[in-house]
Amino acid sequence: NAGVTQTPKFQVLKTGQSMTLQCAQDMNHEYMSWYRQDPGMGLRLIHYSVGAGITDQGEVPNGYNVSRSTTEDFPLRLLSAAPSQTSVYFCASRRTSGEFNEQFFGPGTRLTVL
Amino acid sequence: AQSVAQPEDQVNVAEGNPLTVKCTYSVSGNPYLFWYVQYPNRGLQFLLKYITGDNLVKGSYGFEAEFNKSQTSFHLKKPSALVSDSALYFCAVRVSSSNTGKLIFGQGTTLQVKP
Repeated sequence: NAGVTQTPKFQVLKTGQSMTLQCAQDMNHEYMSWYRQDPGMGLRLIHYSVGAGITDQGEVPNGYNVSRSTTEDFPLRLLSAAPSQTSVYFCASRRTSGEFNEQFFGPGTRLTVL
Repeated sequence: AQSVAQPEDQVNVAEGNPLTVKCTYSVSGNPYLFWYVQYPNRGLQFLLKYITGDNLVKGSYGFEAEFNKSQTSFHLKKPSALVSDSALYFCAVRVSSSNTGKLIFGQGTTLQVKP
Protein backbone atom coordinates (compact mmCIF):
# COMPACT_ATOMS: atom_id res chain seq x y z
CA ASN A 1 0.00 0.00 0.00
CA ALA A 2 1.17 3.51 -0.79
CA GLY A 3 -0.82 4.86 2.17
CA VAL A 4 -1.76 8.54 1.93
CA THR A 5 -0.18 10.42 -0.95
CA GLN A 6 -0.18 14.16 -1.58
CA THR A 7 0.82 16.25 -4.57
CA PRO A 8 2.55 18.57 -5.08
CA LYS A 9 5.19 18.58 -2.34
CA PHE A 10 5.97 22.26 -2.83
CA GLN A 11 4.03 25.07 -4.47
CA VAL A 12 4.47 28.82 -4.81
CA LEU A 13 1.45 30.90 -5.76
CA LYS A 14 0.77 34.57 -6.32
CA THR A 15 -2.02 36.25 -4.43
CA GLY A 16 -5.33 35.63 -6.16
CA GLN A 17 -4.31 32.46 -7.98
CA SER A 18 -6.25 29.27 -7.49
CA MET A 19 -4.99 25.74 -7.19
CA THR A 20 -5.92 22.25 -6.05
CA LEU A 21 -3.94 20.17 -3.58
CA GLN A 22 -4.37 16.49 -4.32
CA CYS A 23 -4.79 13.74 -1.72
CA ALA A 24 -5.34 10.05 -2.30
CA GLN A 25 -5.38 6.95 -0.11
CA ASP A 26 -5.45 3.29 -1.04
CA MET A 27 -6.56 1.86 2.32
CA ASN A 28 -10.32 2.15 1.66
CA HIS A 29 -10.67 4.55 4.58
CA GLU A 30 -14.02 6.24 4.98
CA TYR A 31 -12.78 9.28 6.89
CA MET A 32 -10.47 11.82 5.26
CA SER A 33 -9.43 15.24 6.43
CA TRP A 34 -7.26 18.25 5.65
CA TYR A 35 -5.15 20.10 8.21
CA ARG A 36 -2.88 23.08 8.04
CA GLN A 37 0.20 23.32 10.22
CA ASP A 38 1.53 26.69 11.31
CA PRO A 39 4.37 27.33 13.79
CA GLY A 40 3.18 27.35 17.40
CA MET A 41 -0.38 26.49 16.43
CA GLY A 42 -0.27 22.75 15.94
CA LEU A 43 -2.55 21.27 13.31
CA ARG A 44 -5.89 22.89 12.58
CA LEU A 45 -8.68 21.08 10.82
CA ILE A 46 -9.83 22.68 7.55
CA HIS A 47 -12.41 20.25 6.14
CA TYR A 48 -13.25 16.61 6.59
CA SER A 49 -15.30 13.88 4.97
CA VAL A 50 -16.87 10.74 6.42
CA GLY A 51 -17.49 9.15 3.03
CA ALA A 52 -17.98 9.77 -0.66
CA GLY A 53 -20.39 12.63 -1.25
CA ILE A 54 -20.23 13.85 2.38
CA THR A 55 -18.06 16.75 3.53
CA ASP A 56 -18.11 19.15 6.46
CA GLN A 57 -16.21 22.15 7.77
CA GLY A 58 -13.51 22.08 10.40
CA GLU A 59 -12.02 24.91 12.46
CA VAL A 60 -10.61 27.04 9.63
CA PRO A 61 -12.62 26.42 6.42
CA ASN A 62 -12.67 29.92 4.97
CA GLY A 63 -10.96 30.20 1.60
CA TYR A 64 -10.96 26.45 0.96
CA ASN A 65 -13.33 24.08 -0.81
CA VAL A 66 -13.43 20.30 -0.86
CA SER A 67 -15.34 17.55 -2.58
CA ARG A 68 -15.35 13.77 -2.20
CA SER A 69 -16.54 12.03 -5.34
CA THR A 70 -14.69 8.77 -4.59
CA THR A 71 -13.53 6.98 -1.45
CA GLU A 72 -9.90 7.32 -2.54
CA ASP A 73 -9.59 11.03 -3.37
CA PHE A 74 -10.12 14.18 -1.33
CA PRO A 75 -8.80 17.29 -3.12
CA LEU A 76 -8.50 20.67 -1.41
CA ARG A 77 -9.12 23.75 -3.53
CA LEU A 78 -7.86 27.23 -2.82
CA LEU A 79 -10.19 29.57 -4.65
CA SER A 80 -8.17 32.80 -4.46
CA ALA A 81 -4.89 32.35 -2.63
CA ALA A 82 -3.90 34.81 0.10
CA PRO A 83 -0.58 35.19 1.96
CA SER A 84 -2.38 34.03 5.14
CA GLN A 85 -2.74 30.63 3.46
CA THR A 86 1.02 30.13 3.43
CA SER A 87 1.36 26.93 5.44
CA VAL A 88 2.09 23.24 5.34
CA TYR A 89 -0.97 21.19 4.45
CA PHE A 90 -1.52 17.62 5.56
CA CYS A 91 -4.12 15.17 4.39
CA ALA A 92 -5.09 12.29 6.68
CA SER A 93 -7.37 9.27 6.58
CA ARG A 94 -8.66 6.58 8.91
CA ARG A 95 -11.27 3.88 9.16
CA THR A 96 -14.48 4.80 10.96
CA SER A 97 -15.63 1.28 11.77
CA GLY A 98 -14.36 -0.58 14.82
CA GLU A 99 -12.40 0.98 17.65
CA PHE A 100 -11.06 4.49 17.75
CA ASN A 101 -8.65 4.26 14.92
CA GLU A 102 -5.56 6.33 14.45
CA GLN A 103 -5.16 8.62 11.47
CA PHE A 104 -2.61 8.07 8.74
CA PHE A 105 -1.01 11.23 7.41
CA GLY A 106 0.41 12.12 4.05
CA PRO A 107 3.88 13.70 3.67
CA GLY A 108 2.49 17.22 3.35
CA THR A 109 2.41 20.06 0.81
CA ARG A 110 4.40 23.18 1.58
CA LEU A 111 2.54 26.17 0.10
CA THR A 112 3.87 29.69 -0.17
CA VAL A 113 1.61 32.53 -1.29
CA LEU A 114 3.41 35.69 -2.35
CA ALA B 1 -14.89 23.81 24.44
CA GLN B 2 -12.71 20.80 23.73
CA SER B 3 -9.01 21.57 23.87
CA VAL B 4 -5.55 20.15 24.29
CA ALA B 5 -2.59 21.96 25.81
CA GLN B 6 1.10 21.14 25.61
CA PRO B 7 2.67 23.56 28.10
CA GLU B 8 6.25 23.20 26.88
CA ASP B 9 7.39 24.41 23.47
CA GLN B 10 10.62 22.47 23.83
CA VAL B 11 11.99 19.72 26.05
CA ASN B 12 15.72 19.07 26.27
CA VAL B 13 17.10 15.82 27.64
CA ALA B 14 20.42 13.99 27.56
CA GLU B 15 20.63 10.66 25.77
CA GLY B 16 19.99 7.79 28.17
CA ASN B 17 17.91 9.90 30.56
CA PRO B 18 14.16 9.49 30.98
CA LEU B 19 11.94 11.92 29.11
CA THR B 20 8.47 13.32 29.68
CA VAL B 21 6.42 15.40 27.26
CA LYS B 22 3.39 16.91 28.94
CA CYS B 23 -0.20 17.10 27.72
CA THR B 24 -3.40 18.22 29.42
CA TYR B 25 -6.86 18.13 27.95
CA SER B 26 -10.32 19.54 28.43
CA VAL B 27 -13.28 17.62 27.06
CA SER B 28 -16.87 16.95 27.98
CA GLY B 29 -17.42 13.25 28.33
CA ASN B 30 -14.87 10.50 28.00
CA PRO B 31 -11.52 11.49 26.47
CA TYR B 32 -9.98 9.57 23.61
CA LEU B 33 -6.33 10.60 23.52
CA PHE B 34 -3.54 10.15 21.02
CA TRP B 35 0.16 10.93 20.61
CA TYR B 36 1.77 11.53 17.22
CA VAL B 37 5.37 12.24 16.25
CA GLN B 38 6.62 14.31 13.33
CA TYR B 39 10.17 13.99 12.05
CA PRO B 40 11.59 16.87 9.97
CA ASN B 41 9.88 17.31 6.59
CA ARG B 42 7.63 14.31 7.19
CA GLY B 43 3.98 13.72 7.98
CA LEU B 44 2.74 12.73 11.42
CA GLN B 45 3.14 9.16 12.63
CA PHE B 46 0.92 7.51 15.23
CA LEU B 47 2.63 6.55 18.50
CA LEU B 48 -0.10 5.41 20.87
CA LYS B 49 -3.66 5.98 22.05
CA TYR B 50 -5.81 5.76 25.15
CA ILE B 51 -9.43 4.73 24.77
CA THR B 52 -10.26 2.94 28.00
CA GLY B 53 -8.72 0.48 30.44
CA ASP B 54 -5.20 0.60 31.89
CA ASN B 55 -3.93 4.07 32.63
CA LEU B 56 -0.47 3.21 31.30
CA VAL B 57 -0.49 2.79 27.53
CA LYS B 58 2.46 1.38 25.62
CA GLY B 59 3.21 2.41 22.06
CA SER B 60 5.78 2.43 19.29
CA TYR B 61 9.56 2.97 19.65
CA GLY B 62 9.50 2.30 23.43
CA PHE B 63 7.18 5.20 24.25
CA GLU B 64 4.40 5.01 26.79
CA ALA B 65 1.85 7.44 28.13
CA GLU B 66 0.10 7.75 31.46
CA PHE B 67 -3.54 8.76 31.59
CA ASN B 68 -4.54 10.62 34.75
CA LYS B 69 -8.23 11.42 34.90
CA SER B 70 -8.10 13.55 38.06
CA GLN B 71 -5.36 15.75 36.60
CA THR B 72 -6.78 15.58 33.06
CA SER B 73 -3.34 14.72 31.76
CA PHE B 74 -1.84 12.32 29.26
CA HIS B 75 1.92 12.69 29.51
CA LEU B 76 4.23 10.91 27.07
CA LYS B 77 7.20 9.10 28.60
CA LYS B 78 10.23 7.03 27.70
CA PRO B 79 12.63 5.47 30.21
CA SER B 80 15.79 6.09 28.18
CA ALA B 81 15.92 8.73 25.45
CA LEU B 82 17.72 8.28 22.14
CA VAL B 83 19.14 11.01 19.91
CA SER B 84 16.87 9.62 17.17
CA ASP B 85 13.84 10.49 19.34
CA SER B 86 14.45 14.16 18.56
CA ALA B 87 11.30 15.33 16.78
CA LEU B 88 8.07 17.30 17.17
CA TYR B 89 5.43 15.58 19.30
CA PHE B 90 1.71 16.25 19.20
CA CYS B 91 -0.98 15.29 21.68
CA ALA B 92 -4.52 15.04 20.31
CA VAL B 93 -8.02 14.35 21.60
CA ARG B 94 -11.02 12.91 19.79
CA VAL B 95 -13.94 15.23 20.47
CA SER B 96 -16.74 12.72 20.26
CA SER B 97 -17.37 9.12 21.13
CA SER B 98 -18.52 8.67 17.57
CA ASN B 99 -15.99 7.27 15.15
CA THR B 100 -16.66 10.28 12.96
CA GLY B 101 -15.51 12.61 15.73
CA LYS B 102 -12.88 15.17 14.85
CA LEU B 103 -9.33 15.18 16.20
CA ILE B 104 -8.10 18.31 18.02
CA PHE B 105 -4.31 18.76 18.29
CA GLY B 106 -2.13 20.52 20.80
CA GLN B 107 0.41 23.02 19.56
CA GLY B 108 3.28 20.54 19.64
CA THR B 109 6.43 20.08 21.73
CA THR B 110 9.89 19.85 20.21
CA LEU B 111 11.98 17.16 21.88
CA GLN B 112 15.74 17.63 21.64
CA VAL B 113 17.87 14.71 22.81
CA LYS B 114 21.57 15.55 23.10
CA PRO B 115 24.38 12.98 22.99
